[in-house]
Amino acid sequence: DTGVSQNPRHKITKRGQNVTFRCDPISEHNRLYWYRQTLGQGPEFLTYFQNEAQLEKSRLLSDRFSAERPKGSFSTLEIQRTEQGDSAMYLCASSLGGRRNEQFFGPGTRLTVL
Amino acid sequence: DAKTTQPNSMESNEEEPVHLPCNHSTISGTDYIHWYRQLPSQGPEYVIHGLTSNVNNRMASLAIAEDRKSSTLILHRATLRDAAVYYCGTNFGNEKLTFGTGTRLTIIP
Repeated sequence: DTGVSQNPRHKITKRGQNVTFRCDPISEHNRLYWYRQTLGQGPEFLTYFQNEAQLEKSRLLSDRFSAERPKGSFSTLEIQRTEQGDSAMYLCASSLGGRRNEQFFGPGTRLTVL
Repeated sequence: DAKTTQPNSMESNEEEPVHLPCNHSTISGTDYIHWYRQLPSQGPEYVIHGLTSNVNNRMASLAIAEDRKSSTLILHRATLRDAAVYYCGTNFGNEKLTFGTGTRLTIIP
């Protein structure tokens, strides 16, 4: 069990550029979640997958955001035409599902949009 | 989604018990109560969760009020490594977690 990994850890981009983040969950975890966290706030839910199916998307997830989990393993979160308001920590978490309800978070990707 | 409210900050002396409160007055009967903690530049770390009964694990205890509108995370003997932001959250089954703004816990040596 190597934990949830996220890449890159930091990303600085200019407004209007597209960015893509990757999350590798704990193996055998069928649930994968994306959250966003801004300074001084708790994590806010963005979307989650059970295997490859995207089950829920938050209203925070505008049309510029898209997430995939093509083979039910790793996931990507893409932001198109980034805006300064997108600057935040993007967190990925995974869980085993069933009665094992706890979510295990990765270290996050810190996005700065200039 | 059940909203949670927590004090912004708390202090405790090292080696003493710490009681961190959380209000979740709009919680539904099937929502779980979760606690996570977060160190600077790290992702949240799972601490404990429960539904109705009090829960104990190696890290902490969770005391849930009988009406489930509040809960308390108990660290039995605080150490300097327990200094972190503690988040209380709720979820239904394995679905999304809804967090509050957290309590920043300072441990005084």
